[in-house]
Amino acid sequence: SQQGEEDPQALSIQEGENATMNCSYKTSINNLQWYRQNSGRGLVHLILIRSNEREKHSGRLRVTLDTSKKSSSLLITASRAADTASYFCATEPSGNTPLVFGKGTRLSVIA
Amino acid sequence: DTAVSQTPKYLVTQMGNDKSIKCEQNLGHDTMYWYKQDSKKFLKIMFSYNNKELIINETVPNRFSPKSPDKAHLNLHINSLELGDSAVYFCASRHGQGTVEQFFGPGTRLTVL
Repeated sequence: SQQGEEDPQALSIQEGENATMNCSYKTSINNLQWYRQNSGRGLVHLILIRSNEREKHSGRLRVTLDTSKKSSSLLITASRAADTASYFCATEPSGNTPLVFGKGTRLSVIA
Repeated sequence: DTAVSQTPKYLVTQMGNDKSIKCEQNLGHDTMYWYKQDSKKFLKIMFSYNNKELIINETVPNRFSPKSPDKAHLNLHINSLELGDSAVYFCASRHGQGTVEQFFGPGTRLTVL
């Protein structure tokens, strides 16, 4: 199976703390994307990192990619209650092949 | 304006029935997808269409038949529904050239009794 694995499966933190989620995958990729899913909603794209990039920032989000270890991390700084959601990594093995999603990390930010 | 919309949002039906889920995107995207999300939140691709043509058909039972009347619509028809079909079904779209971000619909929660 090509599916990714997120770690941890669930994470509970206090508002203001940083949240780190990890993703491992199995095959070589073109890019890796992170999506957020609020309860009862569809997925929303957060950030993309290409295979030749090592780190990317977007607002309070920081993504790293280590292709030698086939892993990525998503850091959310200064978390807010509104960040409570499930976070999925998705890999694109090659152009025009479908995204392969991980199982997600459920993040709870407690006010 | 909603970018990717699905109807219905909830669908409760008996085993053996036939049902359809509709999806429309107003983003002008070339590629559309159907995903199934199971009770453990695992999201799996079912179908991919590019410009109304089927590109990907993962190992989905042939009771599931996608139909794309035009580039903006991708509907999913399911025959002879089974208990195991209960899940949340998501439609998504993507521009197709150069951009890789996918836009998801709000999902349709299908419950088969």
